Amino acid sequence: DAGITQSPRHKVTETGTPVTLRCHQTENHRYMYWYRQDPGHGLRLIHYSYGVKDTDKGEVSDGYSVSRSKTEDFLLTLESATSSQTSVYFCAISESNQGREQYFGPGTRLTVT
Amino acid sequence: AQTVTQSQPEMSVQEAETVTLSCTYDTSESDYYLFWYKQPPSRQMILVIRQEAYKQQNATENRFSVNFQKAAKSFSLKISDSQLGDAAMYFCAYRSARNQGGKLIFGQGTELSVKP
Repeated sequence: DAGITQSPRHKVTETGTPVTLRCHQTENHRYMYWYRQDPGHGLRLIHYSYGVKDTDKGEVSDGYSVSRSKTEDFLLTLESATSSQTSVYFCAISESNQGREQYFGPGTRLTVT
Repeated sequence: AQTVTQSQPEMSVQEAETVTLSCTYDTSESDYYLFWYKQPPSRQMILVIRQEAYKQQNATENRFSVNFQKAAKSFSLKISDSQLGDAAMYFCAYRSARNQGGKLIFGQGTELSVKP
């Protein structure tokens, strides 16, 4: 199994509070991704990183920011959580942006009340 | 923009039988990759099979095989000799071969149940 961990694994927070999710990898892969999974939508890309300090937006980036100060860590921040951000969040890593597969972390279930 | 569609929200199969999950996609690109991921109740995303668009031969992995029809933009997954452990959500995904960050575009998923 690829060495990817996510923390926390579960979190309940209140509307308006900031939340940071962490993804940590031990594979030294260049590319890292944050997806959210919602019923009926599959997984949708929030943000991704193609190197330290290099990030770009995905399909559903509004309300989210990311940072990558080290190869192994990719942080996802909800500046002011809303109920629409209740979801399961997955981190993924990949050696390249070509045909290699993406390896996924175990997911974080976030509930915003 | 590319899209992936899985038109079967739920499927059911009898143990030891064969089932086919459908996936269609839309793209103007000629070079890309297609994947099937499995998500069991544990929530872990597991790669089942991968297909390169430039390859005409359909990919196979043990009991799993695909029917890749490039002109029709269709990429179905066949599971032979279904086992109880195959019960899961299955996602079809597309990845461009261009430098678009390597992001995956997923379908909505098909929930497969296996009856003993």
